[in-house]
Amino acid sequence: DVKVTQSSRYLVKRTGEKVFLECVQDMDHENMFWYRQDPGLGLRLIYFSYDVKMKEKGDIPEGYSVSREKKERFSLILESASTNQTSMYLCASSFVAGTDEQYFGPGTRLTVT
Amino acid sequence: ILNVEQSPQSLHVQEGDSTNFTCSFPSSNFYALHWYRWETAKSPEALFVMTLNGDEKKKGRISATLNTKEGYSYLYIKGSQPEDSATYLCAFSPRGSTLGRLYFGRGTQLTVWP
Repeated sequence: DVKVTQSSRYLVKRTGEKVFLECVQDMDHENMFWYRQDPGLGLRLIYFSYDVKMKEKGDIPEGYSVSREKKERFSLILESASTNQTSMYLCASSFVAGTDEQYFGPGTRLTVT
Repeated sequence: ILNVEQSPQSLHVQEGDSTNFTCSFPSSNFYALHWYRWETAKSPEALFVMTLNGDEKKKGRISATLNTKEGYSYLYIKGSQPEDSATYLCAFSPRGSTLGRLYFGRGTQLTVWP
């Protein structure tokens, strides 16, 4: 079974803090993705990566950065957390881009106060 | 940003009812169409990935059809059960898109009452 894990299910941070969200997959997938989900807005792509050290911006990259130093690990970084980044964050991975299903982690519910 | 529309936004049905939802996507440059089920407190899970016009997929009581020429897909649930309650997401992958990223709709939230 493919497993995608995220470092925390729930996280509470203060405005201005640097926040790291970690994602690890165990199926040697090339592609990894970070989404955020807000009520009424569906899943919006923040960043994705198709190889180690390679990244592409999604639709809402402002305020975020990412790191992929190893194939199995994809980190989302909030350089200076703000209250409008309070959201559910989902990581996903896939093998073949486009036609292969994406496997999702359990999500991290981040609250920025 | 490509527009993927899902309707209805939410649906409440009785146990045993059959139901269907719609996903609309751009009809040009089609590559793949995905359906996911997202149950509360769980991760989204893939139901189907469809790549050919006229594709029909089935998994138990759930089935999906695809029309790439007109840009829509239907998801059908026959004899809905309370455990079918979830948000159903569709996602479109256009040919030539940056490395196969998906564009998700906002989902249809299904509630099945016993």
